Amino acid sequence: DQQVKQNSPSLSVQEGRISILNCDYTNSMFDYFLWYKKYPAEGPTFLISISSIKDKNEDGRFTVFLNKSAKHLSLHIVPSQPGDSAVYFCAASTNTGNQFYFGTGTSLTVIP
Amino acid sequence: KAGVTQTPRYLIKTRGQQVTLSCSPISGHRSVSWYQQTPGQGLQFLFEYFSETQRNKGNFPGRFSGRQFSNSRSEMNVSTLELGDSALYLCASSFNRDREQYFGPGTRLTVT
Repeated sequence: DQQVKQNSPSLSVQEGRISILNCDYTNSMFDYFLWYKKYPAEGPTFLISISSIKDKNEDGRFTVFLNKSAKHLSLHIVPSQPGDSAVYFCAASTNTGNQFYFGTGTSLTVIP
Repeated sequence: KAGVTQTPRYLIKTRGQQVTLSCSPISGHRSVSWYQQTPGQGLQFLFEYFSETQRNKGNFPGRFSGRQFSNSRSEMNVSTLELGDSALYLCASSFNRDREQYFGPGTRLTVT
C-alpha cells in the first residue's frame, strides 16, 4: 500500500519559470515531510523538509507547502534552472517510527 | 566528512545465488537504513539498524537480511536471488533519529 504518492511521473518546465511538484499522502500520523533530489547514478540528496506544525518552509529557490487537511504537499522551485533537472522524491515519517515512506518520484526536466 | 559509501557499485548475479552488499555510514552516524529502488516503485524500505540492533523492518521476504557492526558499518544479504531482486539498493545514514538521511550512491544489482 503506497502511503505517499506522486501522481505525476514527469514534468517539463521552461528555464526561469516555476516548477511545482506535488505529493499526496494517506497516513494522518505523518508529521514530518522531506523532499529529495536524485541525479542518475547518484543517491538521493536531501533538499528541504517541513514539520506538520508549519505550512510553509523556504530555502532559497525552494519552497515546500503543506496542506494537512488535504494531506498534500508541494515543492515550488522558482526560478527553475537546467541544473534542477532530476528526479524528485517526497518522503514522510511519523514521530514514533524509524521508517521513511517515499513516493515513486517525479522526473523534472528544465528546458533551457 | 566523507559521505556514505557503498560497495560494490555494480553486481551481476544469477538466480539462486546469494549476495552481500556493504554500506559505510558517515562518521558518527549510528542509524543505517536500506532501501530498494525499482522503476515505478520508488524507494521501498527494507530495514533500519541502530547501534547493531534492527529497529524496523519493511515488508520484504526473509531472504532479505542485514546486520550492523560495532563501527556502524552495515551489510545487507539477499539469499536465493530471484529475477525480481534486480534493483538499485540504497543505504542511508543518520546520526540518531534525525529527520534527514544521507544516501550513498547505491549498488546496482542485476540478477540474470
